[in-house]
Amino acid sequence: AQSVTQPDIHITVSEGASLELRCNYSYGATPYLFWYVQSPGQGLQLLLKYFSGDTLVQGIKGFEAEFKRSQSSFNLRKPSVHWSDAAEYFCAVGNTGGFKTIFGAGTRLFVKA
Amino acid sequence: GAGVSQSPSNKVTEKGKDVELRCDPISGHTALYWYRQSLGQGLEFLIYFQGNSAPDKSGLPSDRFSAERTGGSVSTLTIQRTQQEDSAVYLCASSTDTGELFFGEGSRLTVL
Repeated sequence: AQSVTQPDIHITVSEGASLELRCNYSYGATPYLFWYVQSPGQGLQLLLKYFSGDTLVQGIKGFEAEFKRSQSSFNLRKPSVHWSDAAEYFCAVGNTGGFKTIFGAGTRLFVKA
Repeated sequence: GAGVSQSPSNKVTEKGKDVELRCDPISGHTALYWYRQSLGQGLEFLIYFQGNSAPDKSGLPSDRFSAERTGGSVSTLTIQRTQQEDSAVYLCASSTDTGELFFGEGSRLTVL
C-alpha cells in the first residue's frame, strides 16, 4: 500500500537552531518525492523535489532534503531556522503517468524567539 | 490567470443540500487532483484525473461524492446531501509530467 508517514505532528525549535523534519514512505513504483509548505492562511508551495540523481536536493528558502532509499526516507533540513519558517510542512510521494501523489499528515513547525 | 483557479472560495450550505465546487487547472496540465483538508488535518486524497484515462476514485469517502473533468480541463466536484462532517477546505491541484503539483487557493465548505 502507498503511504507517507510524518511521525512528528508538531515540532518547536528556537530561531537560529537547526531543523530536521522526518518523512518515510511506502510506494509501489519509483518515487518522486516532494516537500510542500503551507503558511497560515496561504496555499501550498513546493519547497523542493527529488526525481533522480543526486540524493541531496536543494530547495527554496534555504531548505534541503536527502533521499535515502535504504531507509525509505526523505527528511527535510534547514541549518538555521527563521521565525518566518513557522508553517505546516507536508511530505509527498508520487510519480507521473497514472501514479497518484499522496501526502503525509503534515508537521507543524513552531519557532520560538 | 496563470494559476489554478477554484470557485467558490467560500460556501456555506445547509445539511442535506448539494454543492458543486469548480476547478480550472493550469492550461496544458494533464493531471488534476482533488484533496480535502479538514481543520488541523493533512491532505486527504479524493480523486485523480490523468489525461484520458479512467479517474482514480479510490479516495472518495462515500457515494455522495463525485467528480468529473470535461474536455480534459475544468473539473467539478459534487457533494450530494451534504453532512456536517463534509465541512473542510477542498483543494484542487494540477500537474504536468514533472509530477509537481500546483495548488489552487481552495474552496472552504461549511455545512450548517
